[in-house]
Amino acid sequence: EDQVTQSPEALRLQEGESSSLNCSYTVSGLRGLFWYRQDPGKGPEFLFTLYSAGEEKEKERLKATLTKKESFLHITAPKPEDSATYLCAVQAATEGGSQGNLIFGKGTKLSVKP
Amino acid sequence: DTGVSQDPRHKITKRGQNVTFRCDPISEHNRLYWYRQTLGQGPEFLTYFQNEAQLEKSRLLSDRFSAERPKGSFSTLEIQRTEQGDSAMYLCASSFNFRGYTFGSGTRLTVV
Repeated sequence: EDQVTQSPEALRLQEGESSSLNCSYTVSGLRGLFWYRQDPGKGPEFLFTLYSAGEEKEKERLKATLTKKESFLHITAPKPEDSATYLCAVQAATEGGSQGNLIFGKGTKLSVKP
Repeated sequence: DTGVSQDPRHKITKRGQNVTFRCDPISEHNRLYWYRQTLGQGPEFLTYFQNEAQLEKSRLLSDRFSAERPKGSFSTLEIQRTEQGDSAMYLCASSFNFRGYTFGSGTRLTVV
C-alpha cells in the first residue's frame, strides 16, 4: 500500500535556527513527490515537485531533496513567517497512468519564534 | 489566471440537510480533483475528473456524495443527508495532466 510518513509531527525553532523535516514514503513507482505549505484555514500552497532520486530544488530559505525512500525539506535561518504546516505527498505512476491523485502525509507543524 | 476558486468558504448546516460546493479550476487545466481534510490530517483523495469524465472514486466517497463536472469546466460536490462526521475542509485541486497541481482555499463544512 502506498504510504507517506512525516516526522516530526511538530517542530519548534528559534528564528535563525536551521533544521530539516523528513518525509518517508513507500509507493509502487514514483511519478512525483510534492511539498506544500499550509496556513491555518487555507488550502495547501505549492512549494516543490521532485521527480527522481538525487534531485534538489530551492526557493528562498527552503531546499527540498529526494532519495529513493525519503525526502527532506531543509529550512535555513527560518523566520517567524515560515511558521506553517508543511505537507509531503506522493503521486504514484500507476498502470495506464490514469490516476494522478496525491497521497499525503499528516504534515509537520513548524513554529518559528522570534 | 486567478488560481483555483472554491465557493462557499464556510458552510454551516444542520444534520440531514443537503449541501453543494463549487470549484472553478485554472482554465487551461484538464484534470480536477476533490479532497477532504480533517483536523491534524493530510488531505485525502475523494474523486477525480479528466475533462468531464469522472475517472476515479475513493472508497471514502459514500453513496451520499456525488460530484459532477459538466462540460469539463467547473465542478460541484454534493453531500446528501449530511452527518456530523462529514464536518471537514473540502479541497479542490486542478492540474494539466500531471503538472501544475494547484489547490483552492477550500470549503469548511460544519454539520451541527
